[in-house]
Amino acid sequence: GQNIDQPTEMTATEGAIVQINCTYQTSGFNGLFWYQQHAGEAPTFLSYNVLDGLEEKGRFSSFLSRSKGYSYLLLKELQMKDSASYLCAPMDSNYQLIWGAGTKLIIKP
Amino acid sequence: DADVTQTPRNRITKTGKRIMLECSQTKGHDRMYWYRQDPGLGLRLIYYSFDVKDINKGEISDGYSVSRQAQAKFSLSLESAIPNQTALYFCATSARHREVGELFFGEGSRLTVL
Repeated sequence: GQNIDQPTEMTATEGAIVQINCTYQTSGFNGLFWYQQHAGEAPTFLSYNVLDGLEEKGRFSSFLSRSKGYSYLLLKELQMKDSASYLCAPMDSNYQLIWGAGTKLIIKP
Repeated sequence: DADVTQTPRNRITKTGKRIMLECSQTKGHDRMYWYRQDPGLGLRLIYYSFDVKDINKGEISDGYSVSRQAQAKFSLSLESAIPNQTALYFCATSARHREVGELFFGEGSRLTVL
């Protein structure tokens, strides 16, 4: 079956760095997406990895290891506005996104 | 104005009533989706459409139907609403090819079935 595993909740301090891990099993693979979702709002696209390695975009970076079925999202210089849920979503062989339940990130001053 | 617009944003209804959620987009995307989101669960796909004549069931289509009236419009219907359909519903769009996984979401429609 298809499965996504990411921590339910994480807490970090403003200005620090946090890494949100995601492991996945899918029927085929066509890349992995990370989305950010603030409470009560719609998800918004953050990053896309299709090849192994690190993709950097400002304060956010995303890493993929296809052989391990593993990805992480790295957030640097945390700001209070980064408090949100982060959704890991690999794409299967039918080009459908398989969504994890998300990691709720709480930023403390 | 939002690129993907959902109406209504909030709706409270009773068991057995017919409900329609509407979605329109100005992004010019061919692909449109309806998802539901429940606390503690990932987004679950209800229906998706790759163009006006192509509609497909997602993982939880039972109890729902859709209509793609035009490239820009995709509506979701609950023929006879039941309490376990209480959820937050999102419409989304995407382009073809490499960008197909980059979804653009509407603001959501919160439905409560009493």
